[in-house]
Amino acid sequence: SQQGEEDPQALSIQEGENATMNCSYKTSINNLQWYRQNSGRGLVHLILIRSNEREKHSGRLRVTLDTSKKSSSLLITASRAADTASYFCATALMNTGFQKLVFGTGTRLLVSP
Amino acid sequence: ETGVTQTPRHLVMGMTNKKSLKCEQHLGHNAMYWYKQSAKKPLELMFVYNFKEQTENNSVPSRFSPECPNSSHLFLHLHTLQPEDSALYLCASSPERTDTQYFGPGTRLTVL
Repeated sequence: SQQGEEDPQALSIQEGENATMNCSYKTSINNLQWYRQNSGRGLVHLILIRSNEREKHSGRLRVTLDTSKKSSSLLITASRAADTASYFCATALMNTGFQKLVFGTGTRLLVSP
Repeated sequence: ETGVTQTPRHLVMGMTNKKSLKCEQHLGHNAMYWYKQSAKKPLELMFVYNFKEQTENNSVPSRFSPECPNSSHLFLHLHTLQPEDSALYLCASSPERTDTQYFGPGTRLTVL
């Protein structure tokens, strides 16, 4: 299976609720990034957490990283309909000085008004 | 908008056609990438260019031919494609090879 796997594959919530997505990976990483993709569009970088960090915040986003369990979670608080999108984790592997991002299959989030 | 543009946004081509996808960034980034996104599959890295030099070719079939004439432009030349090559092709750039990537909106390619 691929390096990054998101869970759940799909999530449906109401506006105002929190959304939690999880990512698991298999090998050692340099950092882990979360991206968002609106339907049929490009990916937008949300947040990066380095391997020596455990938690990071950005606005309504909170990311945790547990390197012992090789897992990360993305929490979106007080969700809005505009948060509807697919969310991907990407693990950054170092390979001869080049950072290779390996993406998972994503979590599709639907936020209903 | 991320500052990375891609043209065309949609492309329909026959298996015998030759076409090119274009990516442009004026963010001053040195690294540029081509990815393929197929339905229900993870994003696949195809090519990486750093300072105009190709540094990664992820076992991509020769019917896909990248070109990077300068640090701001990246092309993907397509010829004799197969229907299974239909996908969203995404270009990205980053300040250096070890940094966050900025994605373009993608080209939706359909091969008939």
